[in-house]
Amino acid sequence: NAGVTQTPKFRILKIGQSMTLQCTQDMNHNYMYWYRQDPGMGLKLIYYSVGAGITDKGEVPNGYNVSRSTTEDFPLRLELAAPSQTSVYFCASSWTGGEPQHFGDGTRLSIL
Amino acid sequence: QKEVEQNSGPLSVPEGAIASLNCTYSDRGSQSFFWYRQYSGKSPELIMSIYSNGDKEDGRFTAQLNKASQYVSLLIRDSQPSDSATYLCAVTRLDNNDMRFGAGTRLTVKP
Repeated sequence: NAGVTQTPKFRILKIGQSMTLQCTQDMNHNYMYWYRQDPGMGLKLIYYSVGAGITDKGEVPNGYNVSRSTTEDFPLRLELAAPSQTSVYFCASSWTGGEPQHFGDGTRLSIL
Repeated sequence: QKEVEQNSGPLSVPEGAIASLNCTYSDRGSQSFFWYRQYSGKSPELIMSIYSNGDKEDGRFTAQLNKASQYVSLLIRDSQPSDSATYLCAVTRLDNNDMRFGAGTRLTVKP
């Protein structure tokens, strides 16, 4: 059982480049989330989705976009990479909003 | 005031001792409370969830919730070096999809 799978695991971008972080879950969870974690800090919610075709902003959405065309996939898009977006990004999923979340292994992103 | 506050630590305990981790939250409407363990360079993994006042025990772990005082704690009995990690407290409402995390407490268990 794979759970939540994130790709890539590591990436280095130049300022102004764009990229998509992939996230797939095989638990048939309706809810999916994207977080960023800066060193020594907790997780900050970027975007979340309560089902296919439905997305909403979290605490720190600026500079990011998401889409949810299927239950399984929830990609995160960075359009114009900035140094402030250097972080570790985690994707998570859950049955509902009040249930425990299952996390992927993370993507470590550096923007230089 | 941060929505979810934890002592950053580091908290150091000897092997075999009880480690006590605390968390306070500001939203009185919070209904679901979680403790996640995060090893360095790894993703958070769920240890305990608690939804009602009182204690909930699972093996060496006990979660305690006091909604009136707005705090939740995690006790780790017979601490092992493998328990050395950062422990994240997370809080959410059932009608809200925005789970808020504390910054975490770093625990070190010394052999």
